[in-house]
Amino acid sequence: NAGVTQTPKFQVLKTGQSMTLQCAQDMNHEYMSWYRQDPGMGLRLIHYSVGAGITDQGEVPNGYNVSRSTTEDFPLRLLSAAPSQTSVYFCASSLRQANTGELFFGEGSRLTVL
Amino acid sequence: SQQGEEDPQALSIQEGENATMNCSYKTSINNLQWYRQNSGRGLVHLILIRSNEREKHSGRLRVTLDTSKKSSSLLITASRAADTASYFCAGLHNYGQNFVFGPGTRLSVLP
Repeated sequence: NAGVTQTPKFQVLKTGQSMTLQCAQDMNHEYMSWYRQDPGMGLRLIHYSVGAGITDQGEVPNGYNVSRSTTEDFPLRLLSAAPSQTSVYFCASSLRQANTGELFFGEGSRLTVL
Repeated sequence: SQQGEEDPQALSIQEGENATMNCSYKTSINNLQWYRQNSGRGLVHLILIRSNEREKHSGRLRVTLDTSKKSSSLLITASRAADTASYFCAGLHNYGQNFVFGPGTRLSVLP
Protein backbone atom coordinates (compact mmCIF):
# COMPACT_ATOMS: atom_id res chain seq x y z
CA ASN A 1 0.00 0.00 0.00
CA ALA A 2 1.35 3.42 -0.98
CA GLY A 3 -0.54 5.36 1.75
CA VAL A 4 0.26 9.07 1.55
CA THR A 5 2.79 10.08 -1.09
CA GLN A 6 4.48 13.47 -1.14
CA THR A 7 6.65 14.92 -3.87
CA PRO A 8 9.24 16.31 -4.08
CA LYS A 9 11.21 15.19 -1.01
CA PHE A 10 13.63 18.11 -1.30
CA GLN A 11 13.36 21.47 -3.03
CA VAL A 12 15.41 24.65 -3.06
CA LEU A 13 13.75 27.85 -4.23
CA LYS A 14 14.78 31.44 -4.62
CA THR A 15 12.73 34.18 -2.98
CA GLY A 16 9.75 35.05 -5.14
CA GLN A 17 9.57 31.75 -7.00
CA SER A 18 6.42 29.66 -6.93
CA MET A 19 6.02 25.92 -6.67
CA THR A 20 3.56 23.18 -5.84
CA LEU A 21 4.02 20.40 -3.30
CA GLN A 22 2.09 17.33 -4.34
CA CYS A 23 0.20 15.02 -2.02
CA ALA A 24 -1.75 11.93 -3.00
CA GLN A 25 -3.41 9.22 -0.91
CA ASP A 26 -4.86 5.92 -2.05
CA MET A 27 -6.94 5.12 1.06
CA ASN A 28 -10.12 6.94 0.00
CA HIS A 29 -9.76 9.29 2.95
CA GLU A 30 -12.12 12.24 3.14
CA TYR A 31 -9.88 14.44 5.28
CA MET A 32 -6.53 15.75 4.06
CA SER A 33 -4.28 18.40 5.55
CA TRP A 34 -0.95 20.16 5.24
CA TYR A 35 1.31 20.89 8.20
CA ARG A 36 4.63 22.61 8.47
CA GLN A 37 7.20 21.54 11.04
CA ASP A 38 9.74 23.98 12.39
CA PRO A 39 12.30 23.30 15.14
CA GLY A 40 10.80 23.54 18.62
CA MET A 41 7.31 24.37 17.33
CA GLY A 42 5.75 21.03 16.58
CA LEU A 43 3.39 20.81 13.64
CA ARG A 44 1.27 23.76 12.60
CA LEU A 45 -1.75 23.34 10.35
CA ILE A 46 -1.65 25.30 7.09
CA HIS A 47 -4.79 24.20 5.21
CA TYR A 48 -7.16 21.28 5.36
CA SER A 49 -9.96 19.68 3.39
CA VAL A 50 -12.88 17.54 4.57
CA GLY A 51 -13.77 16.36 1.07
CA ALA A 52 -13.44 17.05 -2.63
CA GLY A 53 -14.29 20.66 -3.43
CA ILE A 54 -14.02 21.78 0.23
CA THR A 55 -10.97 23.51 1.71
CA ASP A 56 -10.38 25.72 4.70
CA GLN A 57 -7.60 27.60 6.43
CA GLY A 58 -5.62 26.33 9.37
CA GLU A 59 -3.40 28.15 11.82
CA VAL A 60 -0.79 29.50 9.36
CA PRO A 61 -2.39 29.82 5.88
CA ASN A 62 -0.75 33.03 4.62
CA GLY A 63 1.37 32.54 1.51
CA TYR A 64 -0.17 29.17 0.65
CA ASN A 65 -3.05 28.02 -1.55
CA VAL A 66 -4.73 24.64 -1.82
CA SER A 67 -7.38 22.97 -3.93
CA ARG A 68 -9.15 19.61 -3.71
CA SER A 69 -10.53 18.60 -7.09
CA THR A 70 -10.38 14.87 -6.33
CA THR A 71 -10.54 12.74 -3.19
CA GLU A 72 -7.00 11.50 -3.80
CA ASP A 73 -5.02 14.70 -4.37
CA PHE A 74 -4.39 17.76 -2.24
CA PRO A 75 -1.62 19.99 -3.67
CA LEU A 76 -0.11 22.88 -1.71
CA ARG A 77 0.96 25.94 -3.71
CA LEU A 78 3.48 28.49 -2.62
CA LEU A 79 2.63 31.62 -4.56
CA SER A 80 5.78 33.70 -3.96
CA ALA A 81 8.26 31.89 -1.77
CA ALA A 82 9.83 33.70 1.19
CA PRO A 83 12.71 32.60 3.47
CA SER A 84 10.17 32.28 6.31
CA GLN A 85 8.63 29.38 4.40
CA THR A 86 11.78 27.33 4.79
CA SER A 87 10.44 24.31 6.62
CA VAL A 88 9.53 20.65 6.40
CA TYR A 89 6.02 20.14 5.05
CA PHE A 90 3.85 17.15 5.85
CA CYS A 91 0.67 16.01 4.22
CA ALA A 92 -1.67 13.90 6.32
CA SER A 93 -4.98 12.19 5.71
CA SER A 94 -7.69 10.62 7.81
CA LEU A 95 -10.75 8.48 7.21
CA ARG A 96 -12.71 10.81 9.45
CA GLN A 97 -15.08 8.37 11.02
CA ALA A 98 -16.63 9.53 14.26
CA ASN A 99 -14.29 9.38 17.26
CA THR A 100 -11.35 7.93 15.36
CA GLY A 101 -9.45 10.25 13.10
CA GLU A 102 -6.04 8.63 13.15
CA LEU A 103 -3.81 10.65 10.84
CA PHE A 104 -1.62 8.99 8.22
CA PHE A 105 1.41 11.06 7.27
CA GLY A 106 3.58 11.30 4.21
CA GLU A 107 7.36 11.25 4.51
CA GLY A 108 7.67 15.02 4.25
CA SER A 109 8.99 17.60 1.80
CA ARG A 110 11.98 19.65 2.91
CA LEU A 111 11.86 23.13 1.39
CA THR A 112 14.63 25.71 1.51
CA VAL A 113 13.99 29.25 0.31
CA LEU A 114 17.09 31.32 -0.34
CA SER B 1 -3.58 28.89 20.82
CA GLN B 2 -4.97 25.49 21.67
CA GLN B 3 -1.56 23.94 21.29
CA GLY B 4 -0.56 21.35 23.84
CA GLU B 5 2.78 21.07 25.50
CA GLU B 6 4.92 17.99 26.00
CA ASP B 7 7.19 17.63 28.97
CA PRO B 8 10.11 17.11 29.06
CA GLN B 9 11.41 18.57 25.81
CA ALA B 10 14.19 16.02 25.77
CA LEU B 11 14.78 12.76 27.65
CA SER B 12 17.81 10.49 27.67
CA ILE B 13 17.65 7.03 29.27
CA GLN B 14 19.45 3.68 29.20
CA GLU B 15 18.09 0.72 27.31
CA GLY B 16 15.74 -1.30 29.50
CA GLU B 17 14.57 1.69 31.53
CA ASN B 18 11.07 3.14 31.34
CA ALA B 19 10.39 6.46 29.64
CA THR B 20 7.55 8.75 30.67
CA MET B 21 6.42 11.74 28.66
CA ASN B 22 3.67 14.15 29.61
CA CYS B 23 1.30 16.27 27.57
CA SER B 24 -0.92 19.12 28.64
CA TYR B 25 -3.61 20.80 26.58
CA LYS B 26 -5.79 23.85 26.94
CA THR B 27 -9.30 23.07 25.71
CA SER B 28 -11.65 20.12 26.02
CA ILE B 29 -10.86 17.24 23.70
CA ASN B 30 -12.76 14.51 21.91
CA ASN B 31 -9.73 12.26 21.86
CA LEU B 32 -5.99 12.50 22.30
CA GLN B 33 -3.40 10.65 20.27
CA TRP B 34 0.31 10.01 20.49
CA TYR B 35 2.59 9.88 17.48
CA ARG B 36 6.23 8.92 16.96
CA GLN B 37 8.61 10.52 14.47
CA ASN B 38 11.92 8.96 13.60
CA SER B 39 14.56 11.38 12.39
CA GLY B 40 13.84 12.59 8.87
CA ARG B 41 10.57 10.64 8.58
CA GLY B 42 6.86 11.28 8.82
CA LEU B 43 4.82 10.82 11.98
CA VAL B 44 3.39 7.43 12.82
CA HIS B 45 0.32 6.91 14.95
CA LEU B 46 0.93 5.03 18.21
CA ILE B 47 -2.23 5.07 20.27
CA LEU B 48 -5.53 6.90 20.70
CA ILE B 49 -7.36 7.49 23.94
CA ARG B 50 -10.89 8.85 24.04
CA SER B 51 -12.12 11.46 26.47
CA ASN B 52 -14.18 8.88 28.39
CA GLU B 53 -11.18 6.59 28.88
CA ARG B 54 -8.59 6.92 31.64
CA GLU B 55 -5.96 4.42 30.61
CA LYS B 56 -5.05 2.41 27.56
CA HIS B 57 -2.36 -0.14 26.78
CA SER B 58 -0.76 -1.24 23.53
CA GLY B 59 2.22 -3.56 23.79
CA ARG B 60 4.92 -1.68 25.73
CA LEU B 61 2.93 1.55 25.62
CA ARG B 62 0.66 2.82 28.37
CA VAL B 63 -1.29 6.03 27.99
CA THR B 64 -3.26 7.80 30.68
CA LEU B 65 -5.66 10.68 30.34
CA ASP B 66 -6.83 13.05 33.07
CA THR B 67 -9.45 15.34 31.59
CA SER B 68 -9.84 17.29 34.84
CA LYS B 69 -6.17 18.28 34.66
CA LYS B 70 -6.16 18.43 30.85
CA SER B 71 -3.13 16.18 30.74
CA SER B 72 -1.97 12.85 29.36
CA SER B 73 1.10 10.72 29.82
CA LEU B 74 2.84 8.17 27.62
CA LEU B 75 4.86 5.45 29.28
CA ILE B 76 7.21 3.25 27.25
CA THR B 77 8.33 0.28 29.28
CA ALA B 78 11.59 -1.64 28.82
CA SER B 79 12.84 0.85 26.27
CA ARG B 80 15.00 -0.14 23.32
CA ALA B 81 17.46 1.79 21.18
CA ALA B 82 14.87 1.60 18.38
CA ASP B 83 12.52 3.72 20.53
CA THR B 84 14.82 6.70 19.96
CA ALA B 85 12.55 9.25 18.27
CA SER B 86 10.44 12.34 18.89
CA TYR B 87 7.03 11.80 20.44
CA PHE B 88 4.09 14.12 19.92
CA CYS B 89 0.68 14.35 21.48
CA ALA B 90 -2.20 15.60 19.37
CA GLY B 91 -5.66 16.53 20.56
CA LEU B 92 -8.86 16.44 18.54
CA HIS B 93 -10.82 19.16 20.23
CA ASN B 94 -14.55 19.13 20.80
CA TYR B 95 -16.41 20.57 17.79
CA GLY B 96 -13.08 20.90 16.03
CA GLN B 97 -12.11 19.29 12.78
CA ASN B 98 -8.37 19.37 13.22
CA PHE B 99 -5.66 18.00 15.41
CA VAL B 100 -3.49 20.30 17.49
CA PHE B 101 0.05 19.06 18.05
CA GLY B 102 2.45 19.82 20.85
CA PRO B 103 6.15 20.60 20.19
CA GLY B 104 7.20 17.05 21.06
CA THR B 105 9.60 15.21 23.35
CA ARG B 106 12.91 13.97 21.95
CA LEU B 107 13.70 10.58 23.46
CA SER B 108 17.17 9.10 23.25
CA VAL B 109 17.61 5.50 24.38
CA LEU B 110 21.26 4.67 24.89
CA PRO B 111 22.45 1.08 24.37
